[in-house]
Amino acid sequence: QQQVKQSPQSLIVQKGGIPIINCAYENTAFDYFPWYQQFPGKGPALLIAIRPDVSEKKEGRFTISFNKSAKQFSLHIMDSQPGDSATYFCAAKGSGSRLTFGEGTQLTVNP
Amino acid sequence: DVKVTQSSRYLVKRTGEKVFLECVQDMDHENMFWYRQDPGLGLRLIYFSYDVKMKEKGDIPEGYSVSREKKERFSLILESASTNQTSMYLCASKTSGPYQETQYFGPGTRLLVL
Repeated sequence: QQQVKQSPQSLIVQKGGIPIINCAYENTAFDYFPWYQQFPGKGPALLIAIRPDVSEKKEGRFTISFNKSAKQFSLHIMDSQPGDSATYFCAAKGSGSRLTFGEGTQLTVNP
Repeated sequence: DVKVTQSSRYLVKRTGEKVFLECVQDMDHENMFWYRQDPGLGLRLIYFSYDVKMKEKGDIPEGYSVSREKKERFSLILESASTNQTSMYLCASKTSGPYQETQYFGPGTRLLVL
């Protein structure tokens, strides 16, 4: 049973657009919410992360919005570039070191 | 930079074979993880280890076992490979300690079981 639901499965935008990827979770004990970025042929790498005591975190062109009451969080990519084309995974951490990942979103940014 | 290496990028095995996937990290991390990645299913945790000789089952441990004899090395074993174990296998490591949450992934091993 997937405890973190991610949508959409795939997303195509034009350069300069603002893709938004959404995730929803059920477990209120989750206390850390990272996003990982994966390029073809590579392992995932941490992109940005947030804890539930803040509603937004921005790092460069990447922003996480977090809605604790709705148990949802999302990734926004401002001024998207073709180099942002990758698969993005949201995740959530409960007690211990385990991460539960979403299903992944394949993002394509057309030039 | 943290480096996580996996012994093979591509592997082709036959049904019933015993398969070993090796993972090595060079940052003295206490925690190591094995995931499998399948389209539409994301990353699912198979096993993890928080110390040498310690292991815990993840969400999909059936058909797999692990070994961690040294801190830097974590092996995934498919005792008798089956076609439904065809997948991408990812290893990751993480240090312990408060607010040290980042997992560092290897490049993956794409396994095909015929």
